[in-house]
Amino acid sequence: EAGVAQSPRYKIIEKRQSVAFWCNPISGHATLYWYQQILGQGPKLLIQFQNNGVVDDSQLPKDRFSAERLKGVDSTLKIQPAKLEDSAVYLCASRSNRKTKREGSGELFFGEGSRLTVL
Amino acid sequence: KNQVEQSPQSLIILEGKNCTLQCNYTVSPFSNLRWYKQDTGRGPVSLTIMTFSENTKSNGRYTATLDADTKQSSLHITASQLSDSASYICVVTGPGTYKYIFGTGTRLKVLA
Repeated sequence: EAGVAQSPRYKIIEKRQSVAFWCNPISGHATLYWYQQILGQGPKLLIQFQNNGVVDDSQLPKDRFSAERLKGVDSTLKIQPAKLEDSAVYLCASRSNRKTKREGSGELFFGEGSRLTVL
Repeated sequence: KNQVEQSPQSLIILEGKNCTLQCNYTVSPFSNLRWYKQDTGRGPVSLTIMTFSENTKSNGRYTATLDADTKQSSLHITASQLSDSASYICVVTGPGTYKYIFGTGTRLKVLA
């Protein structure tokens, strides 16, 4: 079974430039999350989608960050313009709404992350 | 305020030794608690999940315990291996909309 796919794995940009990250969740997973993980810290939720609708974007810096999941499958996260403090790993995770023996209740599956360095 | 605190922040042990990582939470109401392992440069991977009615859960050399009364959990690693070097993150979930509250993690380094 394919896992959560993210790209690019690494990105280096200068401040005030823009960047976009892509996520393809596990097939059939209705819920998708974007997290920001700064070095040495735990992941911080940026946005949660249920299918193509936004459930929670209260911690998304909307003046510079945007995210979409138009067809309820793939998702993109964009930062424009980037700031130095945006340097972090951006993790995408997905969760099935079904309860299965493997997935249990609310199991989160993470991608490998996209590491952003802003110079 | 819903919070998850982990200790120690970092830990260095010799290969073959045991260690215990701690997680205290103030999330209420509580649904379940997970421990994730995050290798450097990788995404977190689930190790164990426990509901409020479970006291202990094992996954190979990893054993997690939960005391829902004191809101504390621990992750015990037995006979550590070099591959155990990673960050270990405690994640607590409340019921309803599946909001995951992440701890800051414990960085474990196992030395040969």
